[in-house]
Order: sequence, then C-alpha cells, then structure tokens
Amino acid sequence: SQTIHQWPATLVQPVGSPLSLECTVEGTSNPNLYWYRQAAGRGLQLLFYSVGIGQISSEVPQNLSASRPQDRQFILSSKKLLLSDSGFYLCAWSVGPNTGELFFGEGSRLTVL
Amino acid sequence: AQSVTQLDSHVSVSEGTPVLLRCNYSSSYSPSLFWYVQHPNKGLQLLLKYTSAATLVKGINGFEAEFKKSETSFHLTKPSAHMSDAAEYFCVVRPMNRDDKIIFGKGTRLHILP
Repeated sequence: SQTIHQWPATLVQPVGSPLSLECTVEGTSNPNLYWYRQAAGRGLQLLFYSVGIGQISSEVPQNLSASRPQDRQFILSSKKLLLSDSGFYLCAWSVGPNTGELFFGEGSRLTVL
Repeated sequence: AQSVTQLDSHVSVSEGTPVLLRCNYSSSYSPSLFWYVQHPNKGLQLLLKYTSAATLVKGINGFEAEFKKSETSFHLTKPSAHMSDAAEYFCVVRPMNRDDKIIFGKGTRLHILP
C-alpha cells in the first residue's frame, strides 16, 4: 500500500534562518506531488506541484522554493524565513494531475519567531 | 470560473443528532466533488467523492453527500454525530477541464456538544 511521510512534524525557527521540509512517498511510481500551506483560520493554499523529477510549478510567488531530486521525494525550502511563513505545511500526492483525490501527509507545523 | 463555497465556518451539534455541512460549487462543466476531513494537527483524509456516477455518495465513518446539479450543491450529512467527528471539513471541486486547478473550500469546523 502507498504511504506518505513528512518531516519534521514541528519546527520553530528564527526569522532569517533557512528551512527544509521533506516528503517521501512509498508504494507508487511517478506520483504527482504537492506542497500546501494552511495558515491559521484560512483554507489550503497550493504552493508548488510537480508532475515529475525536476519539474516544479509554483503557484504563489514567495521566498519559498521546492525541489524534486528523486521520483518520490519532494522538498520545500527557504533561504531566509519570514514571520509570515509560519503555518501548517502539508505534502500530498495523487496518481494523476488534478485528479482531486489527494493523499496527505501528517503535516509540519512551522513557527517563525 | 470555478469556485466552491462552504456556507458555514463553524457548525455545532449535540452528540447523537444529525450533521449537515453545506457546500455549493460553481463550475462550467460537470465537476468531480470531494469532502475531506482534518483532525487537529493532522493531514487531510478523503471522506467521499462524487465522479458523475450515483448522485448519493456514501463515505467513511457514516458520512454521505448528495450531488444536486439543479442546486449546485454537495452537502455532507451524517444521521448521528459522534464526539470523534469533531474536526474541520473541506469541500473540494475538481473541474472537468484538467487545466484548471483543484479548488478547496475554506473549511467548516464541526463542534460536537456532549
């Protein structure tokens, strides 16, 4: 069966520090991968999605970036965090693009101080 | 343009009473519709999906939803609420045009009163 792992679960970082959140999927090949952010009291905001290795589409201009170095690995990064980067980050995968049926990781809670 | 509206940001029901979470959509085509549930500090889990088959869709944990094209609605219901149903629920629309992105509603937080 397919599983998705996301880490770290919780992160507290000072403003200006770097960020790396990792996500891996097991049990499937060539998944579509997504990074969402969920700010307090808001819905889900799609940040990045990837249909294949090295293929990244950015939905919202910001100081975050994403990379897909391997088929089932998706990394969210920042060189310098801002206070506004605080939130709950969710990685997800789907079998095909825009299927609507997404499988989510457990999330990473980022607090920038 | 496609959109999805969850009409209530918070819903409170007593344990054992029915649950109704409302969702309306706007789409140029017949969309696929989904409901997800999110418990605190957890990822989202698919509850059920409508993909142009039967209009009444049954999901996990006793939830079901009915697609009503004339009302452009996809409301989520459960006959009897349980304390474990306390969570946030998201209505999602996937337009038939695959160039259009999946759209999440803003969510409805369901509170269960003892």
